Amino acid sequence: GENVEQHPSTLSVQEGDSAVIKCTYSDSASNYFPWYKQELGKRPQLIIDIRSNVGEKKDQRIAVTLNKTAKHFSLHITETQPEDSAVYFCAAFTGDSSYKLIFGSGTRLLVRP
Amino acid sequence: GAVVSQHPSWVICKSGTSVKIECRSLDFQATTMFWYRQFPKQSLMLMATSNEGSKATYEQGVEKDKFLINHASLTLSTLTVTSAHPEDSSFYICSAVAGATDTQYFGPGTRLTVL
Repeated sequence: GENVEQHPSTLSVQEGDSAVIKCTYSDSASNYFPWYKQELGKRPQLIIDIRSNVGEKKDQRIAVTLNKTAKHFSLHITETQPEDSAVYFCAAFTGDSSYKLIFGSGTRLLVRP
Repeated sequence: GAVVSQHPSWVICKSGTSVKIECRSLDFQATTMFWYRQFPKQSLMLMATSNEGSKATYEQGVEKDKFLINHASLTLSTLTVTSAHPEDSSFYICSAVAGATDTQYFGPGTRLTVL
């Protein structure tokens, strides 16, 4: 089955700097890759997603890139702000009839003011 | 749109009792719902997939007789933790999918504490 690995587990950046989180997946059939932001004790919130027919997608300060050949995808946050501090999860969807998402282990991002 | 609610938001119970958690899709019909468990500082672990009108599909290692799932309608799925023990204390989150789509909408979660 699908396996998703996420790095780093923790990331500390200065406000205004960029943050990059990387994920790899194992199932070449996976075709949908969402990223979620989770604040303490709250639900995961979808912040951006990308499908396998696209290499890059951007939404204001957030961008995601996908390399299907290498089976990895990355989240890029530019001009980080303290409110970006949270846990970020990547996920992969295999595209089969189960509609299951397989989550990465999470990255705890701390943006220092 | 695409709002998912959970009830209760938190519950404290004694060891050996059963607890029911409800997951509702408020403004769409959810053909599939998922139940996750999240321990502190860990990722979301899928417990089971729930399809309306059929038996749930459990992930490996999840006891189906302990975690009873019922998806009786297109807007409601319930998770019952039977004979709860302290090790069952966790954050339980549901999500819902509308039709043949890959986007999951998450509920706010239920924090279960078993004394």
